[in-house]
Amino acid sequence: DAGVIQSPRHEVTEMGQEVTLRCKPISGHNSLFWYRQTMMRGLELLIYFNNNVPIDDSGMPEDRFSAKMPNASFSTLKIQPSEPRDSAVYFCASSSYRDGYNEQFFGPGTRLTVL
Amino acid sequence: GQQVMQIPQYQHVQEGEDFTTYCNSSTTLSNIQWYKQRPGGHPVFLIQLVKSGEVKKQKRLTFQFGEAKKNSSLHITATQTTDVGTYFCAGGYSSASKIIFGSGTRLSIRP
Repeated sequence: DAGVIQSPRHEVTEMGQEVTLRCKPISGHNSLFWYRQTMMRGLELLIYFNNNVPIDDSGMPEDRFSAKMPNASFSTLKIQPSEPRDSAVYFCASSSYRDGYNEQFFGPGTRLTVL
Repeated sequence: GQQVMQIPQYQHVQEGEDFTTYCNSSTTLSNIQWYKQRPGGHPVFLIQLVKSGEVKKQKRLTFQFGEAKKNSSLHITATQTTDVGTYFCAGGYSSASKIIFGSGTRLSIRP
C-alpha cells in the first residue's frame, strides 16, 4: 500500500488566494482526519470524517476553511481567502477501527506558505 | 474540555542516558496512543494502550498506562541518535475515532 497520499507537498501563495489541499487515504480506512501543525500551536485537529461524513469540525479556525470528502478515496481542505497566519504544515491521516484499536496513519504533509 | 498535557517540552540528553516523557489527561481516557515525529517528517504511530495499568515494551521503549487511565509515560533506555525526534501522546476519550494530541516532547541527543 502506498500509504496516505497528499498533494501538493509544498505550496507558496499570496494572501487572498484560494488554496486547495488534497488527500487520498489508505484504501479500506473509514476515518479521515485533517491536522494543522505550527510551532506555536502544535498539532491541531481541524476536522474528521467517518464513512465520508464530517463528524467534528470544531477545530476549523473560521469560515475561510472548508473540507469535503466526496468519496472514500478522496478529501480536500480549502482555504479561501488565505492569510499569512494560515502558514503551517497540514497533515491528512486515516484510520480504521478494529478490535478497539484505531491507530492513525499520517501522510507526508503539505507545507503551506502564505505571503 | 478534553485536554492532554505533556511534559517536558524539550529534553536534551547525552547518548546512552535514559529519557522519559509524561502525559496527563484531565478526564479518564479510553485509550492512549504514542507517536514519533522525526525532524521534517510526519507523526508515525508507535503503540496504543487500552487497559488500566498496562505496560508494553518495544525494544528499548517502555510504555505505561496509569491505573486510573488518566496518565501515561514513555521511557527510552540508553538513548541512541536514532531516537531523535518529537514524541507525542494522544488520548482517546471514547470508542470514536478522534484522539487529542499532547504538545509533544522534543528529544535531542549529544553524541
